[in-house]
Amino acid sequence: GQNIDQPTEMTATEGAIVQINCTYQTSGFNGLFWYQQHAGEAPTFLSYNVLDGLEEKGRFSSFLSRSKGYSYLLLKELQMKDSASYLCAVRWGGGGNKLTFGTGTQLKVEL
Amino acid sequence: DAGITQSPRHKVTETGTPVTLRCHQTENHRYMYWYRQDPGHGLRLIHYSYGVKDTDKGEVSDGYSVSRSKTEDFLLTLESATSSQTSVYFCAISQPGLAGNNEQFFGPGTRLTVL
Repeated sequence: GQNIDQPTEMTATEGAIVQINCTYQTSGFNGLFWYQQHAGEAPTFLSYNVLDGLEEKGRFSSFLSRSKGYSYLLLKELQMKDSASYLCAVRWGGGGNKLTFGTGTQLKVEL
Repeated sequence: DAGITQSPRHKVTETGTPVTLRCHQTENHRYMYWYRQDPGHGLRLIHYSYGVKDTDKGEVSDGYSVSRSKTEDFLLTLESATSSQTSVYFCAISQPGLAGNNEQFFGPGTRLTVL
């Protein structure tokens, strides 16, 4: 089976940097995704890692260590609009491009 | 934005009644998915489809059925709704490929309340 853990809530200050961690145990690992979800809205794709290392995309970066079953999402220069839930999801083998999601980390950005 | 719509967007129904939710896409993506999202559980896969008339069960399929008669439409049916099926339902699509993310794109969601 698949098990994904991420913190439930985090609070950070506008302009700061925040790191949201995700650990997973899964068979047939085939990629890790991060999604952003604002309250009352659909999840939107942020980043994807399948190989170890850091992927950078503007203010957002995502890191993966497959040997440790660990990923993090790094958000820089935080803005109030970054207040949202961040979902870690693992793609695993078996076809169908299926994902298993963590329960999400609710990030609150304060002044 | 990927062309995905869900209907209805909101529905209130009574226990024991059948309910059908529709997902429609204009992207011609092969894979389609139905999820439910509940506090404390995150997104959980109900059913998914590999293609027309080709579906399979996900993590929480009991009490749900699906059908896909056309590439663009994926229907989720609650045969006899129960209060435990009160949730927000999301449809998603993806397209298999030789390389790349093949990320899933999500529809706007349907909020279902079963009284």
